[in-house]
Order: sequence, then structure tokens, then C-alpha cells
Amino acid sequence: QSALTQPASVSASPGQSITISCTGTSSDVGGYNYVSWYQQYPRKAPKLIIYEVNKWPSGVSNRFSGSKSGNTASLTISGLQPEDEADYYCCSFAGGSNLVFGGGTKLTVL
Amino acid sequence: EVQLVESGGDLVQPGGSLRLSCAASEFAFGAFWMAWVRQAPGKGLEWVANIKGDGREKDHVDSVKGRFTISRDNAKNSLYLQMNSLTAEDMAVYYCARDLGWGRIDLWGQGTLVTVSS
Repeated sequence: QSALTQPASVSASPGQSITISCTGTSSDVGGYNYVSWYQQYPRKAPKLIIYEVNKWPSGVSNRFSGSKSGNTASLTISGLQPEDEADYYCCSFAGGSNLVFGGGTKLTVL
Repeated sequence: EVQLVESGGDLVQPGGSLRLSCAASEFAFGAFWMAWVRQAPGKGLEWVANIKGDGREKDHVDSVKGRFTISRDNAKNSLYLQMNSLTAEDMAVYYCARDLGWGRIDLWGQGTLVTVSS
């Protein structure tokens, strides 16, 4: 049950696109198409933005998109906006009823 | 309003115990898996435990097995986390959450802070 690996930080300018990676193992990310992504503002609860690798919950912008290749999942945010500045966490199903999160990535919109 | 409200967070000494509660409102509580997720100060999210709607299946992260127990009372629309033998590593904000399955957590509480210190 080791945490998934994410870059600590990424940054880009408004209007640009960024991709955050999330690397696990064949026991979690690589073994199931059950990767979700969460956005979290400081001192707020997380918000689901992607589930089952590439599906959007109702009300979430399609500027957020997800993908997966092997043991690595990715979140892409296109057309960056200032309000996208937040922490982002990946999460994978890991068998049984276990879940494992990534360490989080701080996105700075310059 | 559909919501989750946690309570029970407090300052506790190392080795002590605490019981967290989560009150669910305006949805069919007993139909859903529920989970506890924690976040240590300045750190990332960590799944702690989850429990099936009927309470018959549950699991905990290895680091809390034997010390923490998740439970629920569907008649009271409530979720609980009994925490024993607390250590400094357990200090965190604990979130109650509704899990639609396989990590699709669509509803979160506001969190309750557990501080472990002498």
C-alpha cells in the first residue's frame, strides 16, 4: 500500500496546458481502470474531477481529461485558468476494497 | 441538502483513544459504501478505511489495522471511526466520504482535526 508517485509541483501560464503523472504498480494503477483524480483548494475538502481513468462527474469542465498507459495515469488540464491553481491527487483502486492515493501535485498558474 | 458532517476530533495524548462520528443527510445512506480519508498537516490524502452499505464488508489501511475500526449505524445515518493506541503519525484532518465504488468519492465532509500530543 505505497503511495502513488506524482510530481511535487507543476507550473504554467494561463491558457497553456499541463499534464500531471501518477505512477503506481501492476497491483493498482496498472491492474485496474479505476483511477480517479481530485482537486483540493487550501483548507477545503477534495473534489472529484475524473473517475474511472477518463470519465467526468456531472458539472466538471471538459478542460480536465484523464488517461492511462501501463502503470502510469495522467491528468491533463487544458486552457489553464487562474482558478485551476490547487493541489491535485490521483487515487487508484488496489484490490479488495483498498484505495491508494498519490502524494499530490501543487499546480501554480503563473 | 446532501451533506456529511464530521465530529469528535480533539486533542488526545499518545496512546489514547478517540471516536469520530459522521452524520449523513438527505441521501439513502445505507445504500452506499462509506470511507474515512485523512490528511496530515501539509501532507497528502491517505485512505484509512471503508465499509459497505450493509456493514458486512470493511477494510482498513495496514498502518491502522488492529487499532482503528470503522463502523456504521444505518438507522442513525451515521458513520464512525474508533481510534485506539493513537500516535503522532495519526495526527490529521479526518474526512468522512461517500464512495460510489473503486475510488469514485463524490461527497466529502468538511473534516475534523485529530491532534495527538502530550
